[in-house]
Amino acid sequence: SQQGEEDPQALSIQEGENATMNCSYKTSINNLQWYRQNSGRGLVHLILIRSNEREKHSGRLRVTLDTSKKSSSLLITASRAADTASYFCATGGLTGGGNKLTFGTGTQLKVEL
Amino acid sequence: GAGVSQSPSNKVTEKGKDVELRCDPISGHTALYWYRQSLGQGLEFLIYFQGNSAPDKSGLPSDRFSAERTGGSVSTLTIQRTQQEDSAVYLCASSGRGRAFNEQFFGPGTRLTVL
Repeated sequence: SQQGEEDPQALSIQEGENATMNCSYKTSINNLQWYRQNSGRGLVHLILIRSNEREKHSGRLRVTLDTSKKSSSLLITASRAADTASYFCATGGLTGGGNKLTFGTGTQLKVEL
Repeated sequence: GAGVSQSPSNKVTEKGKDVELRCDPISGHTALYWYRQSLGQGLEFLIYFQGNSAPDKSGLPSDRFSAERTGGSVSTLTIQRTQQEDSAVYLCASSGRGRAFNEQFFGPGTRLTVL
């Protein structure tokens, strides 16, 4: 079953603009991760934020986490056509079961020239 | 270094047949996961292996699904008596030790089509 809902489901922007995607989840978490997927195949890990962190940066990516609201956002600044992909948030559980991930529904981002 | 590899990349089978999907994790990674991605269900966890511990099979949808991991490395996901609803992309991921444990590296997936 899906843990998270992502918003928006689809987003179309112009190159150079910023893209913001939001994710909400239901249960307590150990960490939250964002992944990118091109062409419906392999997922690429982008960034991980732990439950005791509030904000994290990696290059053009900025992730925030609000555990009180059970939500996270991913900001891609100065977007490029190559950023066109589906983006998923995934939450890792608290105990046992390793770090099996529960994925959100995904946001399809299209960056146009 | 080499990433996670999966084979075959595509598999078309007839309803009722058995299929085996293979995953080669990144060398040295102790944790291995199987997920599947389908239009109706999104990305779902199937099964998790960690070292020599008993696998977490909590995500397997039915007893037609099974997986094994030999020698702590290669894993095979087997689907018996395939059904059309088994059609999906099956993704394998592995992760390492310590803080690296949480980042999962995914393979390109196997697209399974059951006719």
